[in-house]
Amino acid sequence: EDKVVQSPLSLVVHEGDTVTLNCSYEVTNFRSLLWYKQEKKAPTFLFMLTSSGIEKKSGRLSSILDKKELFSILNITATQTGDSAVYLCAGSSNTGKLIFGQGTTLQVKP
Amino acid sequence: GAVVSQHPSRVICKSGTSVKIECRSLDFQATTMFWYRQFPKQSLMLMATSNEGSKATYEQGVEKDKFLINHASLTLSTLTVTSAHPEDSSFYICSASRGGNLPYGYTFGSGTRLTVV
Repeated sequence: EDKVVQSPLSLVVHEGDTVTLNCSYEVTNFRSLLWYKQEKKAPTFLFMLTSSGIEKKSGRLSSILDKKELFSILNITATQTGDSAVYLCAGSSNTGKLIFGQGTTLQVKP
Repeated sequence: GAVVSQHPSRVICKSGTSVKIECRSLDFQATTMFWYRQFPKQSLMLMATSNEGSKATYEQGVEKDKFLINHASLTLSTLTVTSAHPEDSSFYICSASRGGNLPYGYTFGSGTRLTVV
């Protein structure tokens, strides 16, 4: 059965801290690993990773995939209160289906 | 580009009634649409995959007679929750695929919060 597991489930940090969110996956016919940020409504896309070892970066956020260990991390440096959200990772299969993890709820305190 | 409109954003209905949720791709043709459900503090769970002009494929444990999906055109898919019960109260999100490569060919609607009283 396909599954995606995220850890930790929740995290509270202070502004300026660096956080690392983890995602492990088992997805049949795996194609890519995606990270989303969800605030009040629908998820917004952050990254898509298809190759091992290549870091993707966007501002203070970065992510990398390890296809051998079936694992990905999302790093956020110099966190801000606006980073408070639920971060979802999802594995995609060749059918286009996304299997989501439980999410990590991040709270950044001023 | 790639906007998906989902309506209504919020609905409250009485137990036993049916509710229809619409998902429209506004500026592209969606060959495939996905319907997800999200309970409070939980992740998105895929309910079904619908392809235009054919029957939806439901995930294990999702009752197809309760959650009717219609994908009659390349820009519209509907999810009807029939004979709704309080346990159906949830956040329902659709996503539409243009058939291209992820993620740009894969756009979420804004979601519908259903409350059954």
